[in-house]
Amino acid sequence: DGGITQSPKYLFRKEGQNVTLSCEQNLNHDAMYWYRQDPGQGLRLIYYSQIVNDFQKGDIAEGYSVSREKKESFPLTVTSAQKNPTAFYLCASTPTSGRDTQYFGPGTRLTVL
Amino acid sequence: GENVEQHPSTLSVQEGDSAVIKCTYSDSASNYFPWYKQELGKRPQLIIDIRSNVGEKKDQRIAVTLNKTAKHFSLHITETQPEDSAVYFCAASRRQAGTALIFGKGTTLSVSS
Repeated sequence: DGGITQSPKYLFRKEGQNVTLSCEQNLNHDAMYWYRQDPGQGLRLIYYSQIVNDFQKGDIAEGYSVSREKKESFPLTVTSAQKNPTAFYLCASTPTSGRDTQYFGPGTRLTVL
Repeated sequence: GENVEQHPSTLSVQEGDSAVIKCTYSDSASNYFPWYKQELGKRPQLIIDIRSNVGEKKDQRIAVTLNKTAKHFSLHITETQPEDSAVYFCAASRRQAGTALIFGKGTTLSVSS
């Protein structure tokens, strides 16, 4: 999991603003994922991408958008339409071999002021 | 829909005791079951995983058992130590969503010395 980086570590947003969270991996993984974690909750899937230029909605995609223009990058935009965006956001990736083991980035903690 | 139930939500043990965390899953197509350990403010770290063709797997003090018929899987930690204190998540692979996982809500394990 050392090959997955997320930035920034902490992010503060005013209501009505869009913000973009960065996720980069140098593991040559095809699949990448975004999860949201709230206190006392498990990880919930926001979006996932199995290949460049393709991505799919997860369980809680409303108010979020993503792009996958490069294999190593999968940025997440939290839009003003997301009603309660304060959470810990985790990016993950899966090896190209088809194994299911997911490796996580260090996370971004987003707080809405 | 797909669901993973995890119990208990909190678990307190004395150092040296064993700890058991149980999960049930709903999707009979799930075939991969990882367990993650997450320390406060950190990323989830894979500690052990099991695939559907295996009933039990051990790694030193940690073991996982799987009962596919009952759709149950469990994490067993023996000879617990204070550094085992963390939040533990079980997860199951999903029928759809590529190789994304569906997570339980977590168990907070506290090991007192």
